[in-house]
Amino acid sequence: EAQVTQNPRYLITVTGKKLTVTCSQNMNHEYMSWYRQDPGLGLRQIYYSMNVEATDKGDVPEGYKVSRKEKRNFPLILESPSPNQTSLYFCASSSRQGARETQYFGPGTRLLVL
Amino acid sequence: GQNIDQPTEMTATEGAIVQINCTYQTSGFNGLFWYQQHAGEAPTFLSYNVLDGLEEKGRFSSFLSRSKGYSYLLLKELQMKDSASYLCAVDSGTYKYIFGTGTRLKVLA
Repeated sequence: EAQVTQNPRYLITVTGKKLTVTCSQNMNHEYMSWYRQDPGLGLRQIYYSMNVEATDKGDVPEGYKVSRKEKRNFPLILESPSPNQTSLYFCASSSRQGARETQYFGPGTRLLVL
Repeated sequence: GQNIDQPTEMTATEGAIVQINCTYQTSGFNGLFWYQQHAGEAPTFLSYNVLDGLEEKGRFSSFLSRSKGYSYLLLKELQMKDSASYLCAVDSGTYKYIFGTGTRLKVLA
């Protein structure tokens, strides 16, 4: 089954304790992205990756890091989480075939930083 | 700046037709997406428009006018399960996506 998976789905942590949210896709997509979703603000892009070893900042990259060492994986790293990073996080991957593009989202990770 | 506007909330009756509008101002344009998102769940892809015109897919259709910076999502024969948020998003430049804040649609019996 074609899918994007994220782990963990729920996480409660404390300020300053480094954490990693994993994202994996099994569709051989070149493009992957991380978003955060907050009430009233919609989805905002954090980082995206066009392919292995190719990443770029989205609209809200501060406080986050990413890496793309393999095509299928795109982990999101919070080196020193703060309460304002409490949010719902989504990973997504996309395929572009000619003029057609489809983006698939993972199930989401709810993060609470105390 | 970059901006996508869509109504915050809409209400419609089961069996009816509803049109959700989206206007955008972005630095670039590589296509416009519509997603459906049920509460607490991930967005699911509905449609992608990169050329002007109407794309129809079952009960859902999406229209794009690039010159006007305008799109709409048309939902026909509304069902209760269509109650959800509908997100408009623009690829503003090679996978740099800008999302609107979403339109919450309530379908009443």
